[in-house]
Amino acid sequence: GDSVTQMEGPVTLSEEAFLTINCTYTATGYPSLFWYVQYPGEGLQLLLKATKADDKGSNKGFEATYRKETTSFHLEKGSVQVSDSAVYFCALVWGGNQFYFGTGTSLTVIP
Amino acid sequence: GAVVSQHPSRVICKSGTSVKIECRSLDFQATTMFWYRQFPKKSLMLMATSNEGSKATYEQGVEKDKFLINHASLTLSTLTVTSAHPEDSSFYICSATEGGTGEKLFFGSGTQLSVL
Repeated sequence: GDSVTQMEGPVTLSEEAFLTINCTYTATGYPSLFWYVQYPGEGLQLLLKATKADDKGSNKGFEATYRKETTSFHLEKGSVQVSDSAVYFCALVWGGNQFYFGTGTSLTVIP
Repeated sequence: GAVVSQHPSRVICKSGTSVKIECRSLDFQATTMFWYRQFPKKSLMLMATSNEGSKATYEQGVEKDKFLINHASLTLSTLTVTSAHPEDSSFYICSATEGGTGEKLFFGSGTQLSVL
């Protein structure tokens, strides 16, 4: 069945470091892929998305490219800030509104 | 942006009692609401999908008599964990949509349930 495998955390980085959070998926069709972010005390918010192969989603300096050949959607940011400390969830949806989420990766950025 | 309010954020209860969790869409009409559960170090798992005015659709393995879902209006859905047991301790989160896919899906902040 459809599933998402996400890099386990927690991840701790210094400010301005490069961030990569790996995400791979298994799907029977051609899903849309998402990254959600949950800041402390808040709900999940859509960070970025890509709906077809080779699409690149980007927002707030974060990027992720839909790679069909490697079934991946890795999240990257060139220079993280303390305010990026949050939990990041990779997800896919196919055939409607049913989402499949990864386990979430906690990121802590230290000054 | 659209906001989904979920309460309570944290609840501790005794085994055998029932707990109600509320999920409200504050500035849009949620035609569909979803309830998820997350055990430590596990994925968010969809428990059920509810449409306003109709019975919820439960995922395989989720007991509908134990997890009662009511979606009585376009802005409110409730999840009641009946006769809670320690194994029900988990993080529960709701989401709501007014339609479309992905970007029109909004999440609550979640409820951490601890059953003693």
